[in-house]
Amino acid sequence: DIVMSQSPLYLPVTPGEPASISCRSNQSLLHTNEYNYLDWYLQRPGQSPQLLIYWNSYRAFGVPDRFSGSGSGTDFTLKISRVEAEDVGIYYCMQTLQTPQTFGGGTKVEIK
Amino acid sequence: EVQLVESGGGLVQPGRSLRLSCAASGFTFDDYAIHWVRQPPGKGLEWVSGISWNNGTAYAGSVEGRFTISRDNAENSVHLQMNSLRSEDTALYYCAKGRGRRRLVGPISLDYWGQGTLVTVSS
Repeated sequence: DIVMSQSPLYLPVTPGEPASISCRSNQSLLHTNEYNYLDWYLQRPGQSPQLLIYWNSYRAFGVPDRFSGSGSGTDFTLKISRVEAEDVGIYYCMQTLQTPQTFGGGTKVEIK
Repeated sequence: EVQLVESGGGLVQPGRSLRLSCAASGFTFDDYAIHWVRQPPGKGLEWVSGISWNNGTAYAGSVEGRFTISRDNAENSVHLQMNSLRSEDTALYYCAKGRGRRRLVGPISLDYWGQGTLVTVSS
């Protein structure tokens, strides 16, 4: 199975400031079609996860453009250009290259 | 509006069975994969199983041989039959819709999620 790891585990943020989360895989997620099969999800407190980014850098429907995904191969980053209060929660990366699709352990984002 | 509603969770003894259901609406159900993802209390997310639009199935190693996923297109629903339950199966079980129409069985982004149904395995 592909192992996903995230850092940091906890990220205190200031509204209006940028923030970034790192995700690494122990195998390349770059497909021969040149897409990286890496998703980002946000689970707000008490809510179900929601898809933010798929294929590394494509924003899901309705996701604000302050969220962006980048990286390739085994190293990926989710960036929030200007954090808002509603962005608090746990962020998970997930690979969709191989079955079983596997999640990172999560990064908890809180307002300072 | 896409909606996914899970049901069937509850308290069950180790070794017993439980059947979860996921009722879907707001999209052309026949054309999309549905997956199950679980979250043990206070922990992270774990993919469990998925079924493609054309009934291809996949399972996590931890549930292979014990869980069976199926779909009923007439009822717009997916079921997860869980047998030989263990304490480590205790979790909130989410069903989620696969992104992308008529994708073959396999890993996929999950673009809509239900609210989950809680399964507790304990004597």
